[in-house]
Amino acid sequence: GAGVSQSPSNKVTEKGKDVELRCDPISGHTALYWYRQRLGQGLEFLIYFQGNSAPDKSGLPSDRFSAERTGESVSTLTIQRTQQEDSAVYLCASSRADVGGRYNEQFFGPGTRLTVL
Amino acid sequence: KQEVTQIPAALSVPEGENLVLNCSFTDSAIYNLQWFRQDPGKGLTSLLLIQSSQREQTSGRLNASLDKSSGRSTLYIAASQPGDSATYLCAVGPRDYKLSFGAGTTVTVRA
Repeated sequence: GAGVSQSPSNKVTEKGKDVELRCDPISGHTALYWYRQRLGQGLEFLIYFQGNSAPDKSGLPSDRFSAERTGESVSTLTIQRTQQEDSAVYLCASSRADVGGRYNEQFFGPGTRLTVL
Repeated sequence: KQEVTQIPAALSVPEGENLVLNCSFTDSAIYNLQWFRQDPGKGLTSLLLIQSSQREQTSGRLNASLDKSSGRSTLYIAASQPGDSATYLCAVGPRDYKLSFGAGTTVTVRA
């Protein structure tokens, strides 16, 4: 079946503008994750959804960042008043339901490359 | 906080040579460990997932070992090919969901 998809693949914006990044998880995957990868650095965890609730938002770098998820499908990551340090690749991943506490393999999308001028 | 280190940061080998990529982590209380491949400008492709109760996993030319007590995992790629050129990332999963990633090893296989 289809993998995780993200849109847009590339986004160039001016400092101070708001941006929305979209993630479509694999069908049937109830868990969804957002990560950020800045140039030359490792991946940073941002937020995790189980269904449409976000039990952990601790990775969001500031209150300019927010995320929503509709049911067990699409998620949107919104960055308000973008800054140059927000430039990064934003990756989304999904996994199956965490049945009985078992942690499941995460499958990643291709990412959105955000450039803030 | 879990710290994940990958050594070396970069590796260049001639085609046909076996590859050995190392990953170490500071907190041995992990639930599993996942190896990924990332091609330039692309997302991550999952290669192998090792549960904490396992010592190794194999898929084709790939073999990953896990030694929880010493906080180490090794990814072996047999008979390397130019198509294996990519960045390989190690990620550790605790009992919750967050993956802690290493910075990766960038591999170049010369034809």
